[in-house]
Amino acid sequence: QVQLVESGGGVVQPGGSLRLSCAASGFTFSTYGMHWVRQAPGKGLDWVAFIRHDGSDQYYADSVKGRFTISRDNSMNTLYLQVSSLKAEDTAVYYCAKSERGACSGGRCYGDVFAVWGQGTMVTVSS
Amino acid sequence: DIQMTQSPSSLSASVGDRVTITCRTSQSISTYVNWYQQKPGKAPKVLIYGVSSLQRGVPSRFSGSGSGTDFTLTITSLQPEDFATYYCQQSDSTPWTFGQGTKVETK
Repeated sequence: QVQLVESGGGVVQPGGSLRLSCAASGFTFSTYGMHWVRQAPGKGLDWVAFIRHDGSDQYYADSVKGRFTISRDNSMNTLYLQVSSLKAEDTAVYYCAKSERGACSGGRCYGDVFAVWGQGTMVTVSS
Repeated sequence: DIQMTQSPSSLSASVGDRVTITCRTSQSISTYVNWYQQKPGKAPKVLIYGVSSLQRGVPSRFSGSGSGTDFTLTITSLQPEDFATYYCQQSDSTPWTFGQGTKVETK
């Protein structure tokens, strides 16, 4: 069955870095775009980043642009999120999600649904 | 950015009740509105995509409707397993955005 498993979270000091991973199985990973979404404790869902199926384009929320980098290794069926220059407000559960039913054209991606989610990995930024 | 405003933020209901949650967008969008359910400590799960299409495996008591700037999720007969938080989300344009959530609690 389709499965996404995140790892790499932990406690990090402000200004620190982590690399989050999302291992995919049960589907042809290289043909699907992938998202990262986060959820601060007791708060709602906050989209973070998206990468196209072949890694050719990446999109970021303004709040993380320049600090976070999304990437993927299709040979390893793994999605990554490098998080750097961390702030207290980055404390959250980070989920990866499989994008389905969408399309990208002319630099715009639209129409998709976050069809499958991992269980999440917690990142705590604290001194 | 397209803002998604859900109402109410929370509601109390009983098993068997009809529940309606509304999502208003800050600008008119097409059919790219999705709805998710999240239970405490769990990842979200998609219920409805493209305004009104039921995700495979989701019970038919869930339905979605709307157009323009106003969208609705309806649960026709609330079941015990439906007490959860519900989020709308738009994929009409980047950045992808979510509503703030509606918590459905036991009356």
